[in-house]
Amino acid sequence: GAGVSQSPSNKVTEKGKDVELRCDPISGHTALYWYRQRLGQGLEFLIYFQGNSAPDKSGLPSDRFSAERTGESVSTLTIQRTQQEDSAVYLCASSRQGVNEKLFFGSGTQLSVL
Amino acid sequence: DAKTTQPNSMESNEEEPVHLPCNHSTISGTDYIHWYRQLPSQGPEYVIHGLTSNVNNRMASLAIAEDRKSSTLILHRATLRDAAVYYCILRDGFPTGGFKTIFGAGTRLFVKA
Repeated sequence: GAGVSQSPSNKVTEKGKDVELRCDPISGHTALYWYRQRLGQGLEFLIYFQGNSAPDKSGLPSDRFSAERTGESVSTLTIQRTQQEDSAVYLCASSRQGVNEKLFFGSGTQLSVL
Repeated sequence: DAKTTQPNSMESNEEEPVHLPCNHSTISGTDYIHWYRQLPSQGPEYVIHGLTSNVNNRMASLAIAEDRKSSTLILHRATLRDAAVYYCILRDGFPTGGFKTIFGAGTRLFVKA
């Protein structure tokens, strides 16, 4: 694949429903990041996966948020019992391991909770 | 996590150079300075990064202060397509730093024709 792919691109849901967001990283990228971006604001770190190491979940805002990644492939971000304040763009990025490596971002999933 | 401070917004005229400042007074010896930019309705894209020495690439130049407590991203000739939010971030090069990569609010650059 050419780049980081996220799906769906847009998701509208009702308050209280669960949603699942998907991220397909670039092949060979061992690191994967999820960020949340509210309208007009900067990126808020959510979670970071690096290979088979335990993920850094320190940015998850509540226990309604969880994420999984199988090996070095697809990751899913799940938000349970969605609230209106969860409305935002959810961005995924991947990179090779190493502080000199660039992060490549997907186009994001626009989540709207009614 | 080491923090960066950037102005909320800056304005430039087209075809003129732009200097975007970033303060990182608590930077550690193993932190790399990275810059990304986010065009409207897109995910951020990499611009440039460095550790101690100034860096140049086809997109921009990065000037790093001798004490590393600040840096400046230089766009040599701003175009309308450079209007974006520019993020200055620190990535910890120490193995246990984990490369978590925290973004701040960034600087919104406006370019006038």
